[in-house]
Amino acid sequence: QSALTQPASVSGSPGQSITISCTGTSSDVGGYNYVSWYQQHPGKAPKLMIYDVSNRPSGVSNRFSGSKSGNTASLTISGLQAEDEADYYCSSYTSSSTLVIFGGGTELTVL
Amino acid sequence: QLQLRESGPGLVKPSETLSLTCTVSGDSITTNNHYWGWIRQPPGKGLEWIGSIYSGTTFYNPSLKSRVTIFVDTSKNQFSLRLSSVTAADTAVYFCARNLANCRGGPCYSRYFFGMDVWGQGTTVTVSS
Repeated sequence: QSALTQPASVSGSPGQSITISCTGTSSDVGGYNYVSWYQQHPGKAPKLMIYDVSNRPSGVSNRFSGSKSGNTASLTISGLQAEDEADYYCSSYTSSSTLVIFGGGTELTVL
Repeated sequence: QLQLRESGPGLVKPSETLSLTCTVSGDSITTNNHYWGWIRQPPGKGLEWIGSIYSGTTFYNPSLKSRVTIFVDTSKNQFSLRLSSVTAADTAVYFCARNLANCRGGPCYSRYFFGMDVWGQGTTVTVSS
């Protein structure tokens, strides 16, 4: 099964809000509430930012929020800060044989 | 504080078996019934789920299933990955990670598809002769 579809890159200025989309199908994003979002800085391990579509782990800033509509999940970052510049990946359960799939990743640039 | 650390050879020859171990420190690997998984990232590319394990139950990415084995050693608080018949396409940074556990309203439970909340630093494995 193909990876979930994310934009290759997004950008925003400090203080602005941006949204990263993650599009799948009714077999994954649209059918289940098991979408997670990860932040990865260069050379570092991914960090869980959102799980189960919209839940934030303890310690993650409330500037990060998640939502879902149909087959598309979204990660919104408000009040952009320089430290938010990183790659972001979505992930979902899938009822296909693949079981767990990731998006291709989105590079966020803070201008 | 829970920490995960991957260890193993950084260079593996084509057709041989890649073996990595993830050592869990700061808590028991059996606490809260977490699943534990492996994820890899080829150079300059995205993340790929390899598989996850809880006790004796495993789930594998079907694209790798014929070559992958994940097992747990609770006495050493470790879990391990073996990937056989490797090729250059298996060159990647390999991460071990813990799946979240849901502890609301009763005994904790985890699933291999829950978000991964604790990660190792990753280890680079190159497949080359």
